[in-house]
Amino acid sequence: SQTIHQWPATLVQPVGSPLSLECTVEGTSNPNLYWYRQAAGRGLQLLFYSVGIGQISSEVPQNLSASRPQDRQFILSSKKLLLSDSGFYLCAWNHQDGQGASYEQYFGPGTRLTVT
Amino acid sequence: LAKTTQPISMDSYEGQEVNITCSHNNIATNDYITWYQQFPSQGPRFIIQGYKTKVTNEVASLFIPADRKSSTLSLPRVSLSDTAVYYCLVVNFNKFYFGSGTKLNVKP
Repeated sequence: SQTIHQWPATLVQPVGSPLSLECTVEGTSNPNLYWYRQAAGRGLQLLFYSVGIGQISSEVPQNLSASRPQDRQFILSSKKLLLSDSGFYLCAWNHQDGQGASYEQYFGPGTRLTVT
Repeated sequence: LAKTTQPISMDSYEGQEVNITCSHNNIATNDYITWYQQFPSQGPRFIIQGYKTKVTNEVASLFIPADRKSSTLSLPRVSLSDTAVYYCLVVNFNKFYFGSGTKLNVKP
């Protein structure tokens, strides 16, 4: 069966510090990968998605970046955090088209980031 | 992608059927309609997807009229554990855009 991991679970970082959040998927190959952010009481904002190694699409211009160094690894980074970067960060995956494709995304447990 | 519009919140009582309607006036030919459920501090969970007419699974039904400009998620006999936020999405080419969702509050 497939599983998705995110770490850390919680993080408190000062403004201006760097950020690295990691997401890994097990039990599948060549998934689409996604990073979302959810501010308190709000819906999910799609930040980045990737259809393959090294292929990143950015949905919202900001001080965040994403990388996919391996097929099932997705990393969210920032060089200098802002207060507005606080939120609940969720990684998700789904099957690529042609692999019994459905629009079912599978989400990780999330990382709660507080920028102080 | 087509923007979706849902009620901000709804109240219901245990045992009732709940219908949440979503408007997506600009839906394109290749777009699919999906619904997700989210509990606090968790990632959303897929409920159901459809293209047109009616789709039913073990937890919900999805009704889509012929013009596909709206859809209705039907939850039969809700319980307290169905209290959550429900998101309607229009999806194409693996791009998922979550709106603000509908907060469903189920009362005893």
